[in-house]
Amino acid sequence: QLQLQESGPGLVKPSETLSLTCIVSGASISSGGYYWGWIRQPPGKGLEWIGSIFHSGSTYYNPSLQSRVTIPVDKSKNQFSLKLSSVTAADTALYYCARHSFRTWSFDYWGQGTLVTATS
Amino acid sequence: DIQMTQSPSSLSASVGDRVTITCRASQSISKYLNWYQQKPGKAPRLLIYTASSLQSGVPSRFSGSGSGTDFTLTISSLQVEDFATYFCQQSSTIPYTFGQGTKLET
Repeated sequence: QLQLQESGPGLVKPSETLSLTCIVSGASISSGGYYWGWIRQPPGKGLEWIGSIFHSGSTYYNPSLQSRVTIPVDKSKNQFSLKLSSVTAADTALYYCARHSFRTWSFDYWGQGTLVTATS
Repeated sequence: DIQMTQSPSSLSASVGDRVTITCRASQSISKYLNWYQQKPGKAPRLLIYTASSLQSGVPSRFSGSGSGTDFTLTISSLQVEDFATYFCQQSSTIPYTFGQGTKLET
């Protein structure tokens, strides 16, 4: 059974870099047919796609965040990460990692989410 | 960006009711529309992909239809466990975008 688990600090200071990791179990991140992505949800608000990565390293980012986002992949550890620089209070959100399937063109598996608060 | 607009934002219904939620895209997205269910404190769950395909394990009372710019999610006979928030999401064009959500309440 595929599982995704986010990990990382729950607090980050404004102007610093938010770093999260998504550990994938039950399937290889190198298997074809899937992108691996990050989605966030500010408290009480809707969902925003941040970006996605293929195991080859190809990435797609939301243009609204592109200047501040990188999503590296570590195939040896079967995990991928999110780095968001120069955070502000507006980046406070529940961050989810998810699998994006080429077959269904949808996010078919999600992690449980991790809350990150930008505060001094 | 493609804007996704859901209606209504909230909906009051009862067990056994037939419920319909609408999602409209600001431009054509062909069939690339997905529906998710989210319960408080939980991650979203995929219900319907590419407008009308039922995700494995999802009860058959859920169905989706539409193409182009107008889409609907229908729950044929509402069950207690269906009270949740529902989101649509387009995967036609990057950036992928979501609707603002429809909260289904008793």
